Amino acid sequence: KNQVEQSPQSLIILEGKNCTLQCNYTVSPFSNLRWYKQDTGRGPVSLTIMTFSENTKSNGRYTATLDADTKQSSLHITASQLSDSASYICVVSLNYGGSQGNLIFGKGTKLSVKP
Amino acid sequence: KAGVTQTPRYLIKTRGQQVTLSCSPISGHRSVSWYQQTPGQGLQFLFEYFSETQRNKGNFPGRFSGRQFSNSRSEMNVSTLELGDSALYLCASSSAGPPLEYFGPGTRLTVL
Repeated sequence: KNQVEQSPQSLIILEGKNCTLQCNYTVSPFSNLRWYKQDTGRGPVSLTIMTFSENTKSNGRYTATLDADTKQSSLHITASQLSDSASYICVVSLNYGGSQGNLIFGKGTKLSVKP
Repeated sequence: KAGVTQTPRYLIKTRGQQVTLSCSPISGHRSVSWYQQTPGQGLQFLFEYFSETQRNKGNFPGRFSGRQFSNSRSEMNVSTLELGDSALYLCASSSAGPPLEYFGPGTRLTVL
């Protein structure tokens, strides 16, 4: 069964600290993996997208890694800011072409950054 | 370039009623997808339209339907509303290439 599991479910950190969110997937055939940030009450915004051959990608203070052998990805946030408080969703695409129907969503990690 | 827009942003309905939600994709995007997001289930795919044709459908009952117009705008309809339909409904659009969709702000539907 195609699944995407994220951990932890929620996380509280102090402003300025680093944190790492995890995403494990059992999806086949794999096309790409994306991390989204979703602020409360808003639609998700894409942070990074990685294909099978990529093992790291950065977007400012966000760095995603992908280990296609172990089917694991992580999202590392450096020097957290209050505005990083959001849900972070891992999404894996099946390799069935451009259709958006072949997306498997994780349930997200809710990050709270405290002053 | 304007982003994906959804109307209305908030909606309150009662059980048994029906509702229609609207989504305007980014200009030039021909693919529009709809998702339901609830705290318990997270994001779940409803269906995708491409050039006015439904290309994919998720695992939702027939009460959920949609359509896409020639200008790529899309509507989603839910009939005979149930309490469990209360959710944030998100629309996303992309061009015809690999999936890199852009999400709208969502419509928050509350069923009483």
